[in-house]
Amino acid sequence: RKEVEQDPGPFNVPEGATVAFNCTYSNSASQSFFWYRQDCRKEPKLLMSVYSSGNEDGRFTAQLNRASQYISLLIRDSKLSDSATYLCVPRTYNTDKLIFGTGTRLQVFP
Amino acid sequence: EPEVTQTPSHQVTQMGQEVILRCVPISNHLYFYWYRQILGQKVEFLVSFYNNEISEKSEIFDDQFSVERPDGSNFTLKIRSTKLEDSAMYFCASIQGSDYGYTFGSGTRLTVV
Repeated sequence: RKEVEQDPGPFNVPEGATVAFNCTYSNSASQSFFWYRQDCRKEPKLLMSVYSSGNEDGRFTAQLNRASQYISLLIRDSKLSDSATYLCVPRTYNTDKLIFGTGTRLQVFP
Repeated sequence: EPEVTQTPSHQVTQMGQEVILRCVPISNHLYFYWYRQILGQKVEFLVSFYNNEISEKSEIFDDQFSVERPDGSNFTLKIRSTKLEDSAMYFCASIQGSDYGYTFGSGTRLTVV
């Protein structure tokens, strides 16, 4: 089983739509979770941390289900500028490294 | 907003040559990392560095690679004898502490010809 699994997409949605991405992780020792976005040929940028109780930042909502080892990201009212690849990134404290999957590609069209 | 700065943004080198990629992490950060991303593939961990020593490295980080923090601000990645397959984007990252998300630099595109 891959350490991080995401639907690669692409998800093609119109402006204003709500879109949800899911991610599963295999390492039950994972303790911190993050969503990053990566634009083509750019660096990953931290979008938000994911907390056990779930958290919201503007149009973005992240949820964590530790029992199912599942993380989600909901984007409301999609903007053209949301077009990017979204990377779910778990981290464990017994290792320094972040494990990236291939991410989910989102394309928002006018 | 504080940034991680990487230079150069693009480097072309001949196979077999040595290259040094430079990074200036955020000043109060304590943990430093190098990642790379081959075109079209996922971001891969290379090495982490804490308290002036390597804390973890991947299988990719073989004897051809080395890291240094020579002066308390710069953090460098050296590839001793580049191969064609070293062509990739190399990202430096730093964090303040283990509970924080990484801040990545904008990367160095290395092209080995």
